[in-house]
Amino acid sequence: GAGVSQTPSNKVTEKGKYVELRCDPISGHTALYWYRQSLGQGPEFLIYFQGTGAADDSGLPNDRFFAVRPEGSVSTLKIQRTERGDSAVYLCASSLSSVGEQFFGPGTRLTVL
Amino acid sequence: DQQVKQNSPSLSVQEGRISILNCDYTNSMFDYFLWYKKYPAEGPTFLISISSIKDKNEDGRFTVFLNKSAKHLSLHIVPSQPGDSAVYFCAARSSGSARQLTFGSGTQLTVLP
Repeated sequence: GAGVSQTPSNKVTEKGKYVELRCDPISGHTALYWYRQSLGQGPEFLIYFQGTGAADDSGLPNDRFFAVRPEGSVSTLKIQRTERGDSAVYLCASSLSSVGEQFFGPGTRLTVL
Repeated sequence: DQQVKQNSPSLSVQEGRISILNCDYTNSMFDYFLWYKKYPAEGPTFLISISSIKDKNEDGRFTVFLNKSAKHLSLHIVPSQPGDSAVYFCAARSSGSARQLTFGSGTQLTVLP
């Protein structure tokens, strides 16, 4: 597709469960970012990939959160033992380079019951 | 602590008039600033940016002003149109190793016909 896509668009899970959120960046974009947007707030940085490696994971809130990008394209954000406070919209963005404009996907709305 | 602040959660403007959205920042390492626009159920889309070496950047109806001494920037939209109704996020970045964007909490702009 032409833009960044994210699946699923909505995910409802129960406290304590494991979830995976997927991001398909724009083809050819080497940089990929994950952000989290809570209600009434702006997006908050989680992790940044340059190619296959996580160049900066300083925004991950704790060790329940993990992300991978094994082939330098698709990325998966993984959340273990979900908590109600993890409920948010998880946004993915990609850019042609680390300093290029970031293009955002529509997000995955995660609800933890 | 919030490094980028948008103190007005909402703004209503009559069609054809000027919309002014404000943003303040505290981190003096920020040297690049962006405005994003967000419609419901979509990801943020890039609108306009400004480097810290400039004090003004214009693109059609949109102008961003930067006052470095006051650590303040503003987005002017003139003339405002109903299609401009959206949430506007101010974001900032430093040229250091961090590539992520730091966002404000957003301002909901409503342009009344």
